[in-house]
Amino acid sequence: EVQLVESGGGLVQPGGSLRLSCAASGFTFSSYWMNWVRQAPGKGLEWVANIKQDGSEIYYVNSVKGRFTISRDNAKKSLYLQMNSLRGEDTAVYYCAGQVVVSATNWYFDLWGRGTLVTVSS
Amino acid sequence: DIQMTQSPSSLSASVGDRVTITCRASQSISSYLNWYQQRPGKAPKLLIYAASSLQSGVPSRFSGSGSGTDFTLTISSLQPEDFATYYCQQTYNSPYFGQGTKLEIK
Repeated sequence: EVQLVESGGGLVQPGGSLRLSCAASGFTFSSYWMNWVRQAPGKGLEWVANIKQDGSEIYYVNSVKGRFTISRDNAKKSLYLQMNSLRGEDTAVYYCAGQVVVSATNWYFDLWGRGTLVTVSS
Repeated sequence: DIQMTQSPSSLSASVGDRVTITCRASQSISSYLNWYQQRPGKAPKLLIYAASSLQSGVPSRFSGSGSGTDFTLTISSLQPEDFATYYCQQTYNSPYFGQGTKLEIK
């Protein structure tokens, strides 16, 4: 069974740090671009960051640049998101998503985890 | 950045209705657009990629069309499980989503 399972969410104070993990199983993790997508309570989807299969390319949404770091360990079939200097607006459910790439402009997210909730509050 | 605008933001319809949701890009994105469905409390699910290609396992009542700046997702005959929120996503450059369209039962 194909699975992505996120963990590491919780309550953190503003300015604090948190590290999210996403464990993959049932598919060839090292063949996928991987992403983090978040959803604030009652709001829409926001792409956060992605990483190429070998980690050689990484991209972030502007609002998290310099604060968040995406990484992966293909041997452990795991994706990570290190989140520093957290703000209230980072409160969201964080999903990891696997990306199928057909071409540079033709790709889609066809694998999703169930998400982990991050709450930034004092 | 390319902005994606969905309309309507919410929609009420009945089982059996034909429903169309629109997504407009702030500049041409060719056919590089995906559609996702998200049921309450669940992860998103891919429905359509590259504007009109139906993802494997998705019912044929779902269809997508459009190119350039204007795109539509059509559900030909609404089923109870289709009441959810729908998002478009452009893949021309950064993977930004539209704001979503909530489809509710009338």
